[in-house]
Amino acid sequence: KNQVEQSPQSLIILEGKNCTLQCNYTVSPFSNLRWYKQDTGRGPVSLTIMTFSENTKSNGRYTATLDADTKQSSLHITASQLSDSASYICVVSALNAGNMLTFGGGTRLMVKP
Amino acid sequence: DAEITQSPRHKITETGRQVTLACHQTWNHNNMFWYRQDLGHGLRLIHYSYGVHDTNKGEVSDGYSVSRSNTEDLPLTLESAASSQTSVYFCASSGGRSGFDEQFFGPGTRLTVL
Repeated sequence: KNQVEQSPQSLIILEGKNCTLQCNYTVSPFSNLRWYKQDTGRGPVSLTIMTFSENTKSNGRYTATLDADTKQSSLHITASQLSDSASYICVVSALNAGNMLTFGGGTRLMVKP
Repeated sequence: DAEITQSPRHKITETGRQVTLACHQTWNHNNMFWYRQDLGHGLRLIHYSYGVHDTNKGEVSDGYSVSRSNTEDLPLTLESAASSQTSVYFCASSGGRSGFDEQFFGPGTRLTVL
């Protein structure tokens, strides 16, 4: 069964610090992996998408990495801001699965002043 | 700007009642989806539609139904609400059927079944 596991479940950091969120998946055959940001009371919004051949992709202070061999991805947030407080969801798509996505449970990040 | 909206944003109902959650998108997307989000679970697919008059069951479709009479709307109906259906419901749409096509999510509806 396709699964996406994220860690940690929750994280508290101080404003200005960096953090890294982890995602492990068993989705096969792999097509692509997205990281979504979900603010409280809002729907998820895509941050990055990565395919099999991509190792790193950045979106401002967000940098996603992908190791397709170990089936792991990480999302690194640099110089955190209060507005980074949100849930971050790892979502994996399988080849030939069309729009069907496998969602991780998310990491809830709180940035404190 | 194109958008996807959901209504109501919050709903409290009683066990056994029929409830309909609305989803409206102005992207002119053919593909629309309904998910539920519960603590400890990732988003789970309830139903989806690839166009007018097309509907398909997702992973957790029992107790839910949808109908697609036009491109813009995909209402989700709970035929007889149960406490297990207390959840946050998200509607999404995408322009294509590939996993590369981003799904755009609505703001969600928080449903409480008492």
